[in-house]
Amino acid sequence: AQSVTQPDIHITVSEGASLELRCNYSYGATPYLFWYVQSPGQGLQLLLKYFSGDTLVQGIKGFEAEFKRSQSSFNLRKPSVHWSDAAEYFCAVAVLGGGADGLTFGKGTHLIIQP
Amino acid sequence: DAGITQSPRHKVTETGTPVTLRCHQTENHRYMYWYRQDPGHGLRLIHYSYGVKDTDKGEVSDGYSVSRSKTEDFLLTLESATSSQTSVYFCAISEPTSPETQYFGPGTRLLVL
Repeated sequence: AQSVTQPDIHITVSEGASLELRCNYSYGATPYLFWYVQSPGQGLQLLLKYFSGDTLVQGIKGFEAEFKRSQSSFNLRKPSVHWSDAAEYFCAVAVLGGGADGLTFGKGTHLIIQP
Repeated sequence: DAGITQSPRHKVTETGTPVTLRCHQTENHRYMYWYRQDPGHGLRLIHYSYGVKDTDKGEVSDGYSVSRSKTEDFLLTLESATSSQTSVYFCAISEPTSPETQYFGPGTRLLVL
C-alpha cells in the first residue's frame, strides 16, 4: 500500500523568506501527487497536482512543487511567503490509474509565519 | 469552489447515540468520499462511493456505515457513537474522468461525550 511522509510537523518561516515543505511517498510506481492547504477551521483546497510530464508543477497562490523520482519526493516551494500562507499543508498520493478509491494523506505540516 | 455542503457543521452528542452526517453536492459528480481528520493522523478515508447504491470501505470504516440513494447525497452514519469518533469529518467529490483530483467540503466537527 502507498504511504506518505511529511517529516516536519511544524515549520516557522519569516515573512518574505523562501519556503520548502517536504513530502516523501512510498509506492512501487509513479503515483498521482497532490498538495492541499487547510486554513484554520476550513476545508482543504487543492494547491497543485502532478500526474506526469514536466516534473516542476505550478500551482495557485505562487506555489510550485518538484517531483523527484530518484528521491521519491514531491516537495512544495514558495519563493517568498506572506502572512496569509500560515496554514496546515498536506501532501497526498493516489495510485496511478486509481484514485477513485480515495487519497492517502500525510500527517500534515503546520506552517507558522513570523513577522 | 465546488458546490459541496455538509450538515450539520457542528454537533455534540453522547456516547451510544446514533449520528448521521450529510454531504450534499450540486456538481453531479459520480464519486464521493468521507474522510476523518485527527491531530497527528492527517486525513483518513472512511468510505467512498462510485455512484448510487455503490459504496465501499476505506481505511478506517469500523463503526461507520454509509448510504447513497441519490447522486447528490452521501450520508455517513455512526450507529452508536463512541468518544474515539470525535473528529472532523470531511466529504469530498471527484469526477470519473479525473477521480484522483478531489474537492473537499467545509467539514463537520463532531464531539462525542
